[in-house]
Amino acid sequence: DVKVTQSSRYLVKRTGEKVFLECVQDMDHENMFWYRQDPGLGLRLIYFSYDVKMKEKGDIPEGYSVSREKKERFSLILESASTNQTSMYLCASSLRRDYPTYEQYFGPGTRLTVT
Amino acid sequence: EDQVTQSPEALRLQEGESSSLNCSYTVSGLRGLFWYRQDPGKGPEFLFTLYSAGEEKEKERLKATLTKKESFLHITAPKPEDSATYLCAVQAGDRGSTLGRLYFGRGTQLTVWP
Repeated sequence: DVKVTQSSRYLVKRTGEKVFLECVQDMDHENMFWYRQDPGLGLRLIYFSYDVKMKEKGDIPEGYSVSREKKERFSLILESASTNQTSMYLCASSLRRDYPTYEQYFGPGTRLTVT
Repeated sequence: EDQVTQSPEALRLQEGESSSLNCSYTVSGLRGLFWYRQDPGKGPEFLFTLYSAGEEKEKERLKATLTKKESFLHITAPKPEDSATYLCAVQAGDRGSTLGRLYFGRGTQLTVWP
């Protein structure tokens, strides 16, 4: 079974702090993703990575950065946390194939509260 | 503009009352359509992938079907443990999708009461 783990289930940070969220997958997947999920807005893609050191902006990258130094690990960084970044953060990974499937497997999520 | 639209937003069913959830999409060059189940406070759990119109997949009380414009998730004789949010996602023909990204709908929150 694919396993995606996230460093924390719950996190409380203060406004202005630098926040690191870490994701690790154990299935040798090439692709990794960071989403945030808010009531009424669904899943929104922040950043994704299709290879080590490669990254692509998603739909809402502002205020975030990412790092992928190893294939199995993808970090999301909030440079200066703000209250509007309070959310559920979900990491996912998928195997890159020529065709056809790109099903993503999700971690358990990190509930981040910024006060 | 949303590329994936799910309806209804919320659905309440009595145990044993069959129904369907809808996922319509407007992306071009559909490569795959995915269904997920999400329980409160947890990450989405992968259920099915559909690749082409006419295809069907089944798992226990769930059956997913696909046409050229939409997909249905049919729930037969649901039980309270089927209560969850069901998410639909598509892989399109754009560059991002080629690199692996999916476009998600906002989900249907299903509640099955005894």
